[in-house]
Amino acid sequence: DTAVSQTPKYLVTQMGNDKSIKCEQNLGHDTMYWYKQDSKKFLKIMFSYNNKELIINETVPNRFSPKSPDKAHLNLHINSLELGDSAVYFCASSQRLAPNEQFFGPGTRLTVL
Amino acid sequence: KNQVEQSPQSLIILEGKNCTLQCNYTVSPFSNLRWYKQDTGRGPVSLTIMTFSENTKSNGRYTATLDADTKQSSLHITASQLSDSASYICVVIDSGTYKYIFGTGTRLKVLA
Repeated sequence: DTAVSQTPKYLVTQMGNDKSIKCEQNLGHDTMYWYKQDSKKFLKIMFSYNNKELIINETVPNRFSPKSPDKAHLNLHINSLELGDSAVYFCASSQRLAPNEQFFGPGTRLTVL
Repeated sequence: KNQVEQSPQSLIILEGKNCTLQCNYTVSPFSNLRWYKQDTGRGPVSLTIMTFSENTKSNGRYTATLDADTKQSSLHITASQLSDSASYICVVIDSGTYKYIFGTGTRLKVLA
């Protein structure tokens, strides 16, 4: 069974479109995260939710809106996609906040044309 | 600014050889330090976790060391295998904000 899953794995879209990436974890964790990995492979946190409540919100454009319908899901919706949004987006989860270990999903490669 | 820097950026070694990857950090206050392995097209997977009071931690052929005084860590890989080809990322947890501060990674390529 996949612990942290993301869909889709690949997403190619035009500039200006709106798209969503879904994340689900079956580990029973309280906390979920979204990370962005740029072309230089640098991972940077975007959001963190604990028990459906927003905990961390880095300086991310408000075109990015996370939504947590329940503890097991944290979806990422992106409006008006821009070329600079092209990256790999990773979802992760942990039992409560750090320093508990985070488990990462397989990533979603977003390409904006 | 809290930073985690790794060296070298990339490394190529022959199968069976040993190698050591370096990580220097300025994160403070510091909770613990982790090494992750990220295979191409996959998410990072934890290799070792060390608190500030631990000097060394092993996981099979992977051995991590930590010097909290000099704020340096290393990951030593023994008898490398082709499957060790991956990016290795040093992560320091800021105990004040609970944020994971990621290093830029070292890309290791093991050749037959």
